[in-house]
Parts: sequence; structure tokens; C-alpha cells
Amino acid sequence: GQNIDQPTEMTATEGAIVQINCTYQTSGFNGLFWYQQHAGEAPTFLSYNVLDGLEEKGRFSSFLSRSKGYSYLLLKELQMKDSASYLCAVLDSNYQLIWGAGTKLIIKP
Amino acid sequence: IAGITQAPTSQILAAGRRMTLRCTQDMRHNAMYWYRQDLGLGLRLIHYSNTAGTTGKGEVPDGYSVSRANTDDFPLTLASAVPSQTSVYFCASSDSKQGADTQYFGPGTRLTVL
Repeated sequence: GQNIDQPTEMTATEGAIVQINCTYQTSGFNGLFWYQQHAGEAPTFLSYNVLDGLEEKGRFSSFLSRSKGYSYLLLKELQMKDSASYLCAVLDSNYQLIWGAGTKLIIKP
Repeated sequence: IAGITQAPTSQILAAGRRMTLRCTQDMRHNAMYWYRQDLGLGLRLIHYSNTAGTTGKGEVPDGYSVSRANTDDFPLTLASAVPSQTSVYFCASSDSKQGADTQYFGPGTRLTVL
């Protein structure tokens, strides 16, 4: 079966750095997405990786290793508004997105 | 501002009733999707449509039907609601059926079936 694993919850301090990991086992791979979802709101796009390596976008970076079935989202200079759930999703061989359950990130002052 | 709208925002429904969740996008996207999101689980695809006039089944299609009469609208119908269909429902759209096109989500409909 297809499986996406992420930690359920993480806590970090305002101003610090946090890394959210995602491991996947899917039938085929056509890219990996990270989305942010604030409580009670819709998911919004953060990043997309299809090749190995690091993609940087402001305070957020996303890394992919296809051989290891592994990705992480790195958030720097954490702000209170970064408190949200972070969803990892893989585009499988049928070009359907397989979603992880999400990681709830709690930022403390 | 262009985007996706969903209606209603929330609904409480008696079991056995029929219900249609509405979704409209004005971005002229080809592909549209319906997901349900339950606590502790990832988003699960119910049905999708790659282009107007075509639909397909996702991971959890039973008890749901969709239609895609035009590019903008993609309603989801529960023919006879059951309590296990209590969930938050998100509609999404993307520019093409394949590739790395980002999916854009509507605000969601919170449905409770009693």
C-alpha cells in the first residue's frame, strides 16, 4: 500500500529553526508537495520538489531524497503565525496526490 | 480575487437525507477534486475531474457522486447520508491533470450527519 509518514506534533520556540520530516512509500513518484494549513482553514501551497536537493524560498526550504523516500521542510526564524499543520503529499504514478496526516507545529514565545 | 468557493460553509444533516455540496472556481482550471479530511488522517480523494464532461473515482468514492457539466462547477452529492460521512470536505482545482501543477483549495464545508 501507499504510505506517507510525518510526526503528529512538534513544538518549537519563536525565532528558532524547526525541521519537519516526511517519509513515503508510494507506487511511483512524480513529485512531493508541502502545504500549510491553519486551523479551520484550507491548505495552501508551500513548495514542490521533484529532483533531489534543497529548494529555498524565503524562510522556508524543502529537501528531497528520492533514493531514501524522504523529504523535510525547514522553517527558519519562526514566527507565531507559523503555528499550523504542515502536510506532505506525494504525486504517485497515476498523478494522484497521496497525503500524509500532517504535522501540527506549535510555536511558543 | 480569483479562487474557489464552496457552499454551504457548514451543515447538519439527518441520516438518510440527500445533500449536494457546491464548488465553483473562476480560474478556468481544467482539473477539479473533492477531498474529505478527518482528524488524524490525511486528505482522501473522493472523486476528481480532469476536464469538463469527465469524472473519475478516487480513494473513497462510495456513497458520493459528482458531475462536471462545465469548467467552473463541480458539485458533490451524497445520495443518502450516513454518520460516517461526517467530515470536512474540500474542493480543489489545478491547471492540468498531470504534472506538478499546484492544487488550490476552497475554504471547505463542515458536514455533520446525525
